[in-house]
Amino acid sequence: ILNVEQSPQSLHVQEGDSTNFTCSFPSSNFYALHWYRWETAKSPEALFVMTLNGDEKKKGRISATLNTKEGYSYLYIKGSQPEDSATYLCAPKRSNDYKLSFGAGTTVTVRA
Amino acid sequence: DAGVIQSPRHEVTEMGQEVTLRCKPISGHNSLFWYRQTMMRGLELLIYFNNNVPIDDSGMPEDRFSAKMPNASFSTLKIQPSEPRDSAVYFCASSGGVGIQYFGAGTRLSVL
Repeated sequence: ILNVEQSPQSLHVQEGDSTNFTCSFPSSNFYALHWYRWETAKSPEALFVMTLNGDEKKKGRISATLNTKEGYSYLYIKGSQPEDSATYLCAPKRSNDYKLSFGAGTTVTVRA
Repeated sequence: DAGVIQSPRHEVTEMGQEVTLRCKPISGHNSLFWYRQTMMRGLELLIYFNNNVPIDDSGMPEDRFSAKMPNASFSTLKIQPSEPRDSAVYFCASSGGVGIQYFGAGTRLSVL
C-alpha cells in the first residue's frame, strides 16, 4: 500500500475565493495519478487521470498539476461555488500494480 | 449505460445474520473492485477481480467475508456471520482499459 498524503485534511472557503490543496505520493514506479470528487451521500466520481510529469488538466473551474519527479500534485478550484463542496481524493497508481491507493482526502466546504 | 448498480442501498441486520451485497458492473469492464468506507480507514480496498477471477483478496478483513464473481455482469460480497463492527458503506467499482474506476452508489450496512 502506497503512502499517500493529502493536505490539508479540510478547508473552508468563502464563495468566490480560489483555493488549492496537495497530494503527495512516492515517485518511484509511478504510472498515473487519479483525482476523484466525492460529494456527501454520493459515490466518488473521477475528475482527472494524469500520467506525464508536468501534466496540467482542467475541467471547468477545477484544474490539477502533476510533478512525478518529486511526487506531488496540486488541485486548484478557481472562484469556489457551494456546489464545489466535496471531498477530493487523489489516488496514485504504480506501474506494476493494478490498484489505486486512495488518500484520505481533502474536504472542501464552500460558504455562501 | 446505467453505471455500476449496487443493491441493496441500505441494509439493517442483526449480529450473526448473513448479509449479501450485490453489484452489477458496467458492461464491458473487465475489472471489479469492492471497497469499504469507514471513518477510521477511509476508502479501503477489500478485493479485486479481473476477468471474473479474484486477483487480490488481501484486504478482506477475515474469513467471515467472501466475494464471488460468477460472470462478467455480477458480483457478490457476503458477510457471515455479521458483526456490529462491519457497519460501513460498501462500494463496488468497475474499470475498463484506461483505469478510471466507476463507483456504484454504495450499500450502507448497519449491523445491530
